[in-house]
Parts: sequence; C-alpha cells; structure tokens
Amino acid sequence: NSKVIQTPRYLVKGQGQKAKMRCIPEKGHPVVFWYQQNKNNEFKFLINFQNQEVLQQIDMTEKRFSAECPSNSPCSLEIQSSEAGDSALYLCASSLNNANTEVFFGKGTRLTVV
Amino acid sequence: GDSVTQTEGQVTVSESKSLIINCTYSATSIAYPNLFWYVRYPGEGLQLLLKVITAGQKGSSRGFEATYNKETTSFHLQKASVQESDSAVYYCALSDHNNRIFFGDGTQLVVKP
Repeated sequence: NSKVIQTPRYLVKGQGQKAKMRCIPEKGHPVVFWYQQNKNNEFKFLINFQNQEVLQQIDMTEKRFSAECPSNSPCSLEIQSSEAGDSALYLCASSLNNANTEVFFGKGTRLTVV
Repeated sequence: GDSVTQTEGQVTVSESKSLIINCTYSATSIAYPNLFWYVRYPGEGLQLLLKVITAGQKGSSRGFEATYNKETTSFHLQKASVQESDSAVYYCALSDHNNRIFFGDGTQLVVKP
C-alpha cells in the first residue's frame, strides 16, 4: 500500500484565489511527481523533482503554478490564481529514482474552483 | 508524443465470467516503454496492478494478465473469472525514460453478481 500522503483531500477555492496542496512522499523517495486528472479522466503530467531540484515541467506549470520540495518539509503545489478549468484531482507520486522503478501514488487532492 | 488509448469507458461483466479490457499505446520518445496497469478501487488511491518492461513478456497479478505485444502495440488486460471485488477503474499506462507516466482515460469495470 502506498504511503504517499496528500493533504487536503478536498479543496474549494474561488476564481482568482490561491490554491495550495501538499504531499509527503514515501520515506526515502527522492523523486516526486505531480499529475492533474481532469473531469474527463485525462491525466496530465505537471512537474517532477529529484530532491529539491525540478527535473521537468510543462508550460502551464511554469506560468501559473509554483511547486517545491524543500528538504525536511512536505512538497507543495500551488496555483497562483485559480481558474474554473483548474478543477481536477491533483495526484502526487514518488519513486526511488527517475528511471524504471515503481511509482507510488497518493489519494489525491480534489480541487473545485467555483 | 507518447500516448495510451483505452476504447471502452465502461465494461460490465457478470461474476465468474471472463474479462478483457483493451489498451493500445503509441511511444515516440522511447522504443520500448515500460507498460503498466493501474487500478483505483472506490475510495482508494491509484495502485499498480501489474507491470511489464520487456516486449513479448506477460505480467500477472491477482488473476489478471497482460502481454506486451510490440507488433500490435497492445497491452490488453484479461482475467478468466472476475469477482465483484474487482469492480474498479483500470488504467493502462506507459512510462518514458524519465519515468513520467502516460495514462489512458481508464475503463470502469462493473461486475454484476
């Protein structure tokens, strides 16, 4: 069973508000991923880290999201100014390395932007 | 880009009957991607069901099987006899060389008693 912990499970924000969610990866996992799953069940990779360094991120993440994985603190993903289209399930995942090892997922944060 | 296609949004099967959930993939960033089936049971997070990293090999777990077919670029999920407890959403996926995962849209399996 996965030990990736995401908080909060549910988040409701108004348009234009900041939305912040957190993730504690499995102990000993230096690689962390964030994915967005929209209402059509489509997954989108957002960003990944190895320790505190960003490995890859998509354009959308670069422009409107901020994410970090500080040492000895939970990782976080924050939307600077929420839009209705940001309503989705945000999944955090972690792995031992960034190649060929199992990726473990948290239960996700369900964001609703009203 | 890399992508995964699941054609069925929902599959309904009677208990003890056989199951097949279709999955095809397209990989441009990596010749032979790792292929996965993930499952999400109601109220639970995504969890790995099975994984195959070598073309031509079969993976199996909890009675489910899937064979990595590079000729047809398919990775269909099969089970000979389903149970009510198998009701869940099943996601086919592949990973690239950076371990980023590309998911299909999922297939909801409903097992009728």
